[in-house]
Amino acid sequence: QKEVEQNSGPLSVPEGAIASLNCTYSDRGSQSFFWYRQYSGKSPELIMFIYSNGDKEDGRFTAQLNKASQYVSLLIRDSQPSDSATYLCAVNGDQGAQKLVFGQGTRLTINP
Amino acid sequence: DTAVSQTPKYLVTQMGNDKSIKCEQNLGHDTMYWYKQDSKKFLKIMFSYNNKELIINETVPNRFSPKSPDKAHLNLHINSLELGDSAVYFCASSPSRTGLNRELFFGEGSRLTVL
Repeated sequence: QKEVEQNSGPLSVPEGAIASLNCTYSDRGSQSFFWYRQYSGKSPELIMFIYSNGDKEDGRFTAQLNKASQYVSLLIRDSQPSDSATYLCAVNGDQGAQKLVFGQGTRLTINP
Repeated sequence: DTAVSQTPKYLVTQMGNDKSIKCEQNLGHDTMYWYKQDSKKFLKIMFSYNNKELIINETVPNRFSPKSPDKAHLNLHINSLELGDSAVYFCASSPSRTGLNRELFFGEGSRLTVL
């Protein structure tokens, strides 16, 4: 079983709709969770991080974490064509761990 | 000013050659990393250094040798290059090892093509 799993997509969403991206992880000791966005040919950039169960909102983005189900998601409201990118879920272990483990990414396309 | 910079950005070379990629960060971070991203976009950690000390060494062939002359620099040397080494190599840095929010700051990547 992969440590961090995402549906690779592609996920196609009409402009203005809500895009929902999902991620599951295997290590129950994981404490912090990150969503990175990567445009084609560019480096990953952080969108949000979350470490408490529940929702965390930042503008059009909402991260949701459910540690019992080992599940983290990212919602993008009012999707824009500029949101078209690959979204990478990353998970950090307990505080002794020094690395982020990434999922394979979900390719998102927003259709005008 | 670029926060995490890598050179070269593109590298095309023949099988069997030796090549190096350099990375520098001006963020004052203690920890630096090398990640490899394959053609399927899977981003996998290779090495991590904290204050010049190697702290993570994933199962990477020993043809790959990282070096950190100081905490602002982390280089990657690859011997006897193979076709499967073709990938984008990302350098990254993060603040001190403590704390839950250990955000990574990535360089622009170095695209290595082995022919």
